[in-house]
Amino acid sequence: NAGVTQTPKFQVLKTGQSMTLQCAQDMNHEYMSWYRQDPGMGLRLIHYSVGAGITDQGEVPNGYNVSRSTTEDFPLRLLSAAPSQTSVYFCASSRLTGGWEQYFGPGTRLTVT
Amino acid sequence: SQQGEEDPQALSIQEGENATMNCSYKTSINNLQWYRQNSGRGLVHLILIRSNEREKHSGRLRVTLDTSKKSSSLLITASRAADTASYFCATERNEKLTFGTGTRLTIIP
Repeated sequence: NAGVTQTPKFQVLKTGQSMTLQCAQDMNHEYMSWYRQDPGMGLRLIHYSVGAGITDQGEVPNGYNVSRSTTEDFPLRLLSAAPSQTSVYFCASSRLTGGWEQYFGPGTRLTVT
Repeated sequence: SQQGEEDPQALSIQEGENATMNCSYKTSINNLQWYRQNSGRGLVHLILIRSNEREKHSGRLRVTLDTSKKSSSLLITASRAADTASYFCATERNEKLTFGTGTRLTIIP
């Protein structure tokens, strides 16, 4: 099992550009989520999904879009990048039943100039 | 807003000593989890305690939960250099996981 994979590992964007951060898991987990981690802030939930075709907003959803067309993939789209979106982005997945142990990807470090 | 707040923000101890870190949260929860993050890496799940449990053990880890005080503690016994990392508590409620700001633990060899 590869677990949770994220691409790219690093990305630099100019203000106003758009891009998609990719996330995939091969554990057949129903639940997938995106977090951003900023210094001194811990992780904050951006969007999450409890299954294919179902997404919902987390704590900081503005400026981000998600879709869940398959169980395996949960891409995060930045619609028009802003310097405030400079952060490290983590994708995670888990089962919905039997516990909520989250499996995290290695992260994407995004810089918006 | 952050649901969990860890205390202390940073902790340095000698190898072999025990490390205790605390987490406080604001609302009712289904479960509370602890994660470890090594520098530049993703988070790794350590232990989960449900709201109807008071204490749980896993290897050198001991977690307690006091729902009346909305607080939890993580004890790492007989610390090792490899335990150097940041530790986060996370509370689950309504299918959302909310993380605290973390405790930076440094083990001095």
